[in-house]
Amino acid sequence: EVQLVESGGGLVQPGGSLRLSCAASGFTFSNYWMSWVRQAPGKGLEWVANINQHGNEKYYVDSVKGRFTISRDNTKNSLYLQMTSLSADDTAVYYCARDTAMATGAFDYWGQGTLVTVSS
Amino acid sequence: DIQMTQSPSTLSASVGDRVTITCRASRSISSWLAWYQQKPGKAPKFLIYKASSLESGVPSRFSGSGSGTEFTLTISSLQPDDFATYYCQQYNSSPWTFGQGTKVEIK
Repeated sequence: EVQLVESGGGLVQPGGSLRLSCAASGFTFSNYWMSWVRQAPGKGLEWVANINQHGNEKYYVDSVKGRFTISRDNTKNSLYLQMTSLSADDTAVYYCARDTAMATGAFDYWGQGTLVTVSS
Repeated sequence: DIQMTQSPSTLSASVGDRVTITCRASRSISSWLAWYQQKPGKAPKFLIYKASSLESGVPSRFSGSGSGTEFTLTISSLQPDDFATYYCQQYNSSPWTFGQGTKVEIK
């Protein structure tokens, strides 16, 4: 059974940093692109970043470029999102998602999400 | 960036109704469109990919159609478990973008 379990969310002050983790199991993690998708409270879904199987291709939505860094450790079946210079606009539930095997950009499995709240 | 627009934003329907949700892209995305279902407090669930292909395990009352810029999600006979918010999403070109969502409510 595919499982994605996020952790690392919490309350952080504006300008602060946070590192999210996603532990993957039930599939060959190193075979898949992986993504982070976020959802602000009461709002829709926003793709944030993705990373290829080897970790040498990374893409970001413009609003987080230069502030967020996606990474992965295939030996630990884990995905990460390092977030810096956080603002209130980054307050959201952050989901780890697996890109489909057929095409990157569609997400067939999602974690339960971890809430990041940016507030003083 | 490609903008995705869903209509309606809210839809009130009864069990057994046929329901159609429309999704429009700001430019052609070929058939690179997915649909998701989300219930309150839960992660989205993958329903349809490549505009019309049903993900394994998804009930056959769900169907998708369209190409280019106009797409639809149809639920042939609405069931109690289907009351949720539905999102379309393009994966033709990065950044991948979602529609604003359509909430299907009980009438």
